Amino acid sequence: DIQMTQSPSSLSASVGDRVTISCRASQSISSFLNWYQQEPGKAPMLLIYRASSLRSGVPSRFSGSGSGTDFTLTISSLQPEDFATYYCQQSLSTPYSFGQGTKLEIK
Amino acid sequence: EVQLVESGGGLVKPGGSLRLSCTPSGVTMSYVWMSWVRQTPGKGLEWVGRIKSKSDGGTTDYAAAVKGRFGISRDDSRNTLCLQMNSLKTEDTAVYYCTTEMEYYSGSGSPGYYMDVWGKGTTVTVSS
Repeated sequence: DIQMTQSPSSLSASVGDRVTISCRASQSISSFLNWYQQEPGKAPMLLIYRASSLRSGVPSRFSGSGSGTDFTLTISSLQPEDFATYYCQQSLSTPYSFGQGTKLEIK
Repeated sequence: EVQLVESGGGLVKPGGSLRLSCTPSGVTMSYVWMSWVRQTPGKGLEWVGRIKSKSDGGTTDYAAAVKGRFGISRDDSRNTLCLQMNSLKTEDTAVYYCTTEMEYYSGSGSPGYYMDVWGKGTTVTVSS
Protein backbone atom coordinates (compact mmCIF):
# COMPACT_ATOMS: atom_id res chain seq x y z
CA ASP A 1 0.00 0.00 0.00
CA ILE A 2 1.11 3.58 -0.67
CA GLN A 3 1.87 5.72 2.36
CA MET A 4 1.45 9.50 2.24
CA THR A 5 3.41 11.78 4.55
CA GLN A 6 2.72 15.48 4.94
CA SER A 7 4.90 18.14 6.48
CA PRO A 8 4.62 20.09 8.60
CA SER A 9 1.82 18.68 10.78
CA SER A 10 0.92 22.21 11.83
CA LEU A 11 1.86 25.65 10.68
CA SER A 12 1.31 29.14 12.09
CA ALA A 13 1.08 31.99 9.63
CA SER A 14 -0.41 35.45 9.21
CA VAL A 15 -2.91 36.85 6.74
CA GLY A 16 -1.04 37.76 3.58
CA ASP A 17 1.74 35.20 4.08
CA ARG A 18 2.80 32.73 1.43
CA VAL A 19 2.72 29.17 2.75
CA THR A 20 3.83 25.83 1.40
CA ILE A 21 2.71 22.38 2.49
CA SER A 22 4.60 19.28 1.38
CA CYS A 23 3.36 15.78 0.68
CA ARG A 24 5.53 12.75 -0.04
CA ALA A 25 4.43 9.37 -1.38
CA SER A 26 6.18 6.14 -0.42
CA GLN A 27 6.44 5.25 -4.13
CA SER A 28 5.96 7.08 -7.39
CA ILE A 29 2.34 8.06 -8.01
CA SER A 30 2.97 10.06 -11.19
CA SER A 31 0.56 13.01 -10.90
CA PHE A 32 -2.27 11.10 -9.21
CA LEU A 33 -2.37 13.45 -6.25
CA ASN A 34 -5.30 15.43 -4.88
CA TRP A 35 -5.49 18.13 -2.21
CA TYR A 36 -8.46 18.77 0.10
CA GLN A 37 -9.28 21.52 2.57
CA GLN A 38 -11.28 20.82 5.73
CA GLU A 39 -12.68 23.57 7.92
CA PRO A 40 -13.54 22.68 11.55
CA GLY A 41 -16.82 20.77 11.79
CA LYS A 42 -17.21 20.49 8.03
CA ALA A 43 -16.61 17.86 5.40
CA PRO A 44 -13.44 18.03 3.30
CA MET A 45 -13.57 19.91 0.03
CA LEU A 46 -11.52 19.21 -3.10
CA LEU A 47 -9.07 22.00 -3.99
CA ILE A 48 -6.69 20.49 -6.53
CA TYR A 49 -6.61 17.28 -8.56
CA ARG A 50 -3.98 15.77 -10.83
CA ALA A 51 -1.34 17.48 -8.66
CA SER A 52 -1.82 20.92 -10.19
CA SER A 53 -5.34 21.29 -11.66
CA LEU A 54 -7.44 23.77 -9.74
CA ARG A 55 -11.01 22.72 -9.15
CA SER A 56 -13.52 25.12 -10.65
CA GLY A 57 -14.39 27.88 -8.18
CA VAL A 58 -11.25 27.52 -6.05
CA PRO A 59 -9.36 30.82 -5.72
CA SER A 60 -6.23 31.18 -7.84
CA ARG A 61 -4.09 31.85 -4.76
CA PHE A 62 -4.07 28.05 -4.35
CA SER A 63 -1.66 26.11 -6.53
CA GLY A 64 -0.19 22.64 -6.61
CA SER A 65 2.96 21.20 -8.09
CA GLY A 66 5.06 18.07 -8.20
CA SER A 67 5.09 14.59 -9.65
CA GLY A 68 6.50 11.21 -8.78
CA THR A 69 6.88 11.20 -5.00
CA ASP A 70 7.11 14.86 -3.98
CA PHE A 71 4.28 17.36 -4.11
CA THR A 72 3.56 20.85 -2.84
CA LEU A 73 0.47 22.90 -2.08
CA THR A 74 1.09 26.63 -2.07
CA ILE A 75 -1.19 29.42 -0.90
CA SER A 76 0.22 32.64 -2.31
CA SER A 77 -1.41 35.13 0.05
CA LEU A 78 -3.28 33.72 3.05
CA GLN A 79 -6.82 34.90 3.62
CA PRO A 80 -8.76 34.50 6.90
CA GLU A 81 -10.92 31.73 5.41
CA ASP A 82 -7.84 29.65 4.53
CA PHE A 83 -7.09 28.71 8.15
CA ALA A 84 -8.09 25.06 8.04
CA THR A 85 -6.58 21.58 7.74
CA TYR A 86 -5.20 20.38 4.42
CA TYR A 87 -4.88 16.78 3.25
CA CYS A 88 -3.16 15.21 0.28
CA GLN A 89 -4.49 11.95 -1.18
CA GLN A 90 -3.11 9.54 -3.74
CA SER A 91 -5.43 8.06 -6.37
CA LEU A 92 -2.94 5.94 -8.29
CA SER A 93 -4.39 2.76 -6.83
CA THR A 94 -6.71 1.47 -4.16
CA PRO A 95 -6.56 1.46 -1.24
CA TYR A 96 -6.50 5.22 -1.61
CA SER A 97 -4.52 6.89 1.14
CA PHE A 98 -4.42 10.33 2.71
CA GLY A 99 -1.66 12.25 4.38
CA GLN A 100 -2.10 12.85 8.09
CA GLY A 101 -3.07 16.48 7.51
CA THR A 102 -1.51 19.90 7.99
CA LYS A 103 -3.33 22.26 10.33
CA LEU A 104 -2.88 25.88 9.31
CA GLU A 105 -3.35 28.24 12.25
CA ILE A 106 -3.36 31.98 12.67
CA LYS A 107 -0.15 33.40 14.13
CA GLU B 1 -26.21 21.43 -7.13
CA VAL B 2 -25.23 17.91 -6.12
CA GLN B 3 -25.75 17.08 -2.45
CA LEU B 4 -25.22 13.90 -0.48
CA VAL B 5 -27.02 13.09 2.76
CA GLU B 6 -25.81 10.27 5.01
CA SER B 7 -27.97 8.60 7.64
CA GLY B 8 -27.99 5.59 9.92
CA GLY B 9 -25.20 6.45 12.34
CA GLY B 10 -25.50 5.82 16.05
CA LEU B 11 -24.19 3.95 19.07
CA VAL B 12 -23.53 0.24 18.74
CA LYS B 13 -21.78 -2.32 20.92
CA PRO B 14 -18.57 -4.05 19.80
CA GLY B 15 -19.44 -7.00 17.60
CA GLY B 16 -22.67 -5.36 16.49
CA SER B 17 -23.88 -4.23 13.08
CA LEU B 18 -25.01 -0.97 11.56
CA ARG B 19 -26.20 0.05 8.12
CA LEU B 20 -25.43 3.49 6.77
CA SER B 21 -27.24 5.04 3.83
CA CYS B 22 -26.35 7.88 1.49
CA THR B 23 -28.90 9.60 -0.69
CA PRO B 24 -27.73 11.91 -3.47
CA SER B 25 -29.75 14.74 -4.90
CA GLY B 26 -29.04 16.69 -8.05
CA VAL B 27 -27.38 13.71 -9.72
CA THR B 28 -28.44 10.39 -11.17
CA MET B 29 -26.45 8.01 -9.03
CA SER B 30 -26.44 5.20 -11.55
CA TYR B 31 -23.66 6.86 -13.57
CA VAL B 32 -21.48 7.75 -10.60
CA TRP B 33 -18.79 5.89 -8.69
CA MET B 34 -19.34 6.30 -4.94
CA SER B 35 -16.94 6.05 -2.02
CA TRP B 36 -17.01 6.02 1.77
CA VAL B 37 -14.35 7.84 3.78
CA ARG B 38 -14.18 7.96 7.56
CA GLN B 39 -12.55 10.29 10.03
CA THR B 40 -11.70 9.21 13.54
CA PRO B 41 -12.05 11.73 16.35
CA GLY B 42 -9.27 14.27 16.22
CA LYS B 43 -7.48 12.36 13.51
CA GLY B 44 -7.26 12.28 9.80
CA LEU B 45 -9.09 10.77 6.90
CA GLU B 46 -9.23 7.09 6.00
CA TRP B 47 -10.63 5.68 2.77
CA VAL B 48 -13.08 2.85 3.53
CA GLY B 49 -14.10 1.62 0.11
CA ARG B 50 -15.91 2.35 -3.14
CA ILE B 51 -18.35 0.93 -5.63
CA LYS B 52 -18.18 1.54 -9.35
CA SER B 53 -21.20 2.32 -11.48
CA LYS B 54 -23.07 -0.68 -12.87
CA SER B 55 -21.99 0.29 -16.38
CA ASP B 56 -18.39 -0.05 -15.18
CA GLY B 57 -19.07 -3.41 -13.55
CA GLY B 58 -20.46 -2.35 -10.18
CA THR B 59 -17.44 -3.86 -8.45
CA THR B 60 -16.25 -2.91 -4.97
CA ASP B 61 -12.88 -2.26 -3.35
CA TYR B 62 -12.19 -2.01 0.37
CA ALA B 63 -9.52 -0.94 2.79
CA ALA B 64 -7.78 -3.84 4.50
CA ALA B 65 -9.09 -2.70 7.90
CA VAL B 66 -12.71 -3.29 6.89
CA LYS B 67 -12.49 -6.00 4.22
CA GLY B 68 -14.66 -8.97 5.11
CA ARG B 69 -16.65 -6.96 7.67
CA PHE B 70 -18.06 -4.07 5.63
CA GLY B 71 -20.06 -4.23 2.42
CA ILE B 72 -20.92 -1.42 0.01
CA SER B 73 -23.99 -1.72 -2.19
CA ARG B 74 -26.03 0.52 -4.43
CA ASP B 75 -29.70 0.60 -5.35
CA ASP B 76 -29.80 2.87 -8.35
CA SER B 77 -33.57 2.56 -8.67
CA ARG B 78 -33.89 4.18 -5.24
CA ASN B 79 -30.85 6.40 -5.73
CA THR B 80 -29.34 5.05 -2.53
CA LEU B 81 -25.86 3.94 -1.49
CA CYS B 82 -25.42 1.69 1.55
CA LEU B 83 -22.57 0.71 3.81
CA GLN B 84 -23.30 -2.46 5.80
CA MET B 85 -20.96 -2.68 8.78
CA ASN B 86 -20.67 -5.97 10.66
CA SER B 87 -18.46 -7.20 13.50
CA LEU B 88 -17.86 -3.62 14.54
CA LYS B 89 -14.81 -2.76 16.61
CA THR B 90 -14.12 0.24 18.85
CA GLU B 91 -11.61 1.45 16.27
CA ASP B 92 -14.44 1.80 13.74
CA THR B 93 -15.71 4.77 15.75
CA ALA B 94 -15.65 7.67 13.31
CA VAL B 95 -17.59 10.14 11.22
CA TYR B 96 -18.47 8.40 7.97
CA TYR B 97 -18.71 10.44 4.78
CA CYS B 98 -20.05 9.33 1.44
CA THR B 99 -18.53 10.95 -1.60
CA THR B 100 -18.84 10.90 -5.36
CA GLU B 101 -15.72 9.69 -7.12
CA MET B 102 -15.00 11.43 -10.38
CA GLU B 103 -12.70 10.39 -13.20
CA TYR B 104 -10.43 12.74 -15.06
CA TYR B 105 -8.11 12.33 -18.01
CA SER B 106 -4.58 12.26 -16.68
CA GLY B 107 -2.73 12.60 -19.97
CA SER B 108 -0.70 9.48 -19.24
CA GLY B 109 -3.14 6.94 -20.63
CA SER B 110 -4.63 5.99 -17.28
CA PRO B 111 -7.53 7.90 -15.77
CA GLY B 112 -7.22 9.60 -12.41
CA TYR B 113 -9.86 9.95 -9.73
CA TYR B 114 -10.81 12.40 -7.04
CA MET B 115 -13.50 12.65 -4.41
CA ASP B 116 -15.69 15.43 -5.63
CA VAL B 117 -18.86 15.99 -3.58
CA TRP B 118 -18.94 15.02 0.09
CA GLY B 119 -21.88 14.60 2.44
CA LYS B 120 -21.90 16.18 5.89
CA GLY B 121 -21.17 12.81 7.49
CA THR B 122 -22.86 10.55 10.02
CA THR B 123 -21.30 9.56 13.34
CA VAL B 124 -20.76 5.95 14.32
CA THR B 125 -19.76 5.18 17.90
CA VAL B 126 -18.75 1.65 18.83
CA SER B 127 -18.67 1.29 22.59
CA SER B 128 -19.86 -1.06 25.30
